Amino acid sequence: QVQLEESGPGLMQPSETLSLTCTVSGFSLTSNGVGWVRQPLGKGLVWMGTIWAGGSTNYNSAVQSRLSISRDTSKSQVFLKMNSLQPEDTGTYYCASQPYGDYWGQGVMVTVSS
Amino acid sequence: DIQMTQTPSSMPASLGERVTISCRASQGISNYLNWYQQKPDGTIKPLIYYTSNLQSGVPSRFSGSGSGTDYSLTISSLEPEDFAMYYCQQYDSSPTFGAGTKLELK
Repeated sequence: QVQLEESGPGLMQPSETLSLTCTVSGFSLTSNGVGWVRQPLGKGLVWMGTIWAGGSTNYNSAVQSRLSISRDTSKSQVFLKMNSLQPEDTGTYYCASQPYGDYWGQGVMVTVSS
Repeated sequence: DIQMTQTPSSMPASLGERVTISCRASQGISNYLNWYQQKPDGTIKPLIYYTSNLQSGVPSRFSGSGSGTDYSLTISSLEPEDFAMYYCQQYDSSPTFGAGTKLELK
């Protein structure tokens, strides 16, 4: 059974660096891509970036300068790091298999507020 | 970036009704199109990949079609659990989502 689970801090201060982890099971990171998707409160879904099976990455141009996605295949974990947080980064962050989106985590809520 | 225009933004419908949600891409996306359902608790359920392929466990009342720039999701006969938000997503290039369609009980 494939599972993806996001974890990370719920509350961040502006200008801080966000670190999120996506832990996967029943699913090989060397055979599948994993992406991060953000959903601002009450709004739609926005793709942020993907790390592919071979380890290469692609990022949404809107956040590319602040975002880094990496992984630890031995721990079956994918990481998101985004610096210079602003209140508009508030939302629910999901990890999901790519490119078919056939598996999603439950999401983790992140609030950026002073 | 490829823009996805999803219509309608909301749709009142009745149990048993047949409904269709549309997505139009700003350029051709070669059938690289997924559909998702999101419930109010935030849970996202994949429905269809590559335009018309049902994800595992998805009921056959869901179907997808399209080509070029125009794609659609059809639910042949609405069940109570189908009232939710629906999103399309292209992955021909950097993925982008449609703005969503809220399917509401009439």
